[in-house]
Amino acid sequence: DIQMTQSPSSLSASVGDRVTITCRASQGVGNYLAWYQQKPGKAPKLLIYAASTLQSGVPSRFSGSGSGTDFTLTISSLQPEDVATYYCQKYNSAPQTFGQGTKVEV
Amino acid sequence: EVQLLESGGGLEQPGGSLRLSCAASGFTFSSYGMSWVRQAPGKGLEWVSGISGSGSSTYYADSVKGRFTVSRDSSKNTLYLQMNSLRAEDSAVYYCAKASRIAPAGKYCFDDWGQGTLVTVSS
Repeated sequence: DIQMTQSPSSLSASVGDRVTITCRASQGVGNYLAWYQQKPGKAPKLLIYAASTLQSGVPSRFSGSGSGTDFTLTISSLQPEDVATYYCQKYNSAPQTFGQGTKVEV
Repeated sequence: EVQLLESGGGLEQPGGSLRLSCAASGFTFSSYGMSWVRQAPGKGLEWVSGISGSGSSTYYADSVKGRFTVSRDSSKNTLYLQMNSLRAEDSAVYYCAKASRIAPAGKYCFDDWGQGTLVTVSS
């Protein structure tokens, strides 16, 4: 099975900072890559699918890029409400494996 | 509005069984694949099982294969997860999740999630 590895595992940044999270697949997944945001005690929320397509209603400060094995989630200007754990997920085939998560603190 | 409501979680002894349910509304249930995703306390997300819209195709993580069975009843708009031979490491919040699009098995991410139901396996 394809493994998904995120880095870093956690980060701390200031309000207004640009934040970048990376996700690497052990084999190519095309652009079948999604990003989720999960706040404590809540279900995950889909942010980005197809590597770079913003889900409806998601603020434009979130963006995604990449294809094949290397992907990036960027928050252009970190806001207090962005405190959460972020997960990547590949979905080119089952199993739809998640990365281990990146905890973002402000 | 899509709604997914899980139920059936609770405390069970190792080796026991539980059946989780996920009642769905707000979309054409039989058209979309569905999955179960779990999260152990303080840990990350783990995809557990998936089922096609028709119910004809099912698939499982290696960690639950042979012990868990996913099914669906389109007449009741409900997804199920039968969990047998439970282990301590199965303790987690279990979420049901809806496919983001009508697509072949596994070729979708999840655009709607339930609130989760907690399963605790302990003697």
